[in-house]
Amino acid sequence: GEDVEQSLFLSVREGDSSVINCTYTDSSSTYLYWYKQEPGAGLQLLTYIFSNMDMKQDQRLTVLLNKKDKHLSLRIADTQTGDSAIYFCAEKVWGYNKLIFGAGTRLAVHP
Amino acid sequence: EPEVTQTPSHQVTQMGQEVILRCVPISNHLYFYWYRQILGQKVEFLVSFYNNEISEKSEIFDDQFSVERPDGSNFTLKIRSTKLEDSAMYFCASSAGTSGEDNEQFFGPGTRLTVL
Repeated sequence: GEDVEQSLFLSVREGDSSVINCTYTDSSSTYLYWYKQEPGAGLQLLTYIFSNMDMKQDQRLTVLLNKKDKHLSLRIADTQTGDSAIYFCAEKVWGYNKLIFGAGTRLAVHP
Repeated sequence: EPEVTQTPSHQVTQMGQEVILRCVPISNHLYFYWYRQILGQKVEFLVSFYNNEISEKSEIFDDQFSVERPDGSNFTLKIRSTKLEDSAMYFCASSAGTSGEDNEQFFGPGTRLTVL
């Protein structure tokens, strides 16, 4: 079955890099996404990666995809207090348009 | 920048009542979605809609739920007879397409539904 798992909590110091990890079970994923949710707000699409790519970089964000291990990560360079939020990993599986979400990782950035 | 909007931001209703949640997707998008997030749980897919019909639905989306695009801009989710367990944040999303650069689903801010 389809399942997406994330660790629930990550705490980092301001200025350090954050790495948020995600694993998924369905090998027929086509796209994998990272969404950000700030308190009381909706889901903001940060970035996505197509399943035939290994890496995608977008300013401070780097996405790494290991298809063999079904592992996705999001690295945030120079983490700022404004990056404090819940980060959701999601996948889209071949033949479907629905997104399957993980439970979200709460990132806390402290001085 | 275009965005998905949803109204109301918070809806309180009595069990058994009908509710309609409203969404205005991004104007040139063709695919529309509803998701929900029960407090403390994962975001779950409910339904997708394309070309004026449902293209996918989950097992959550039973006969109590319906969707409609009543005009060229609105996309609605109706719950006919609400139950306590329908209390959740409901997110609307839209996308221009389903592959390539158009695959991105953009989400609205959500409607928090509270069933008493």
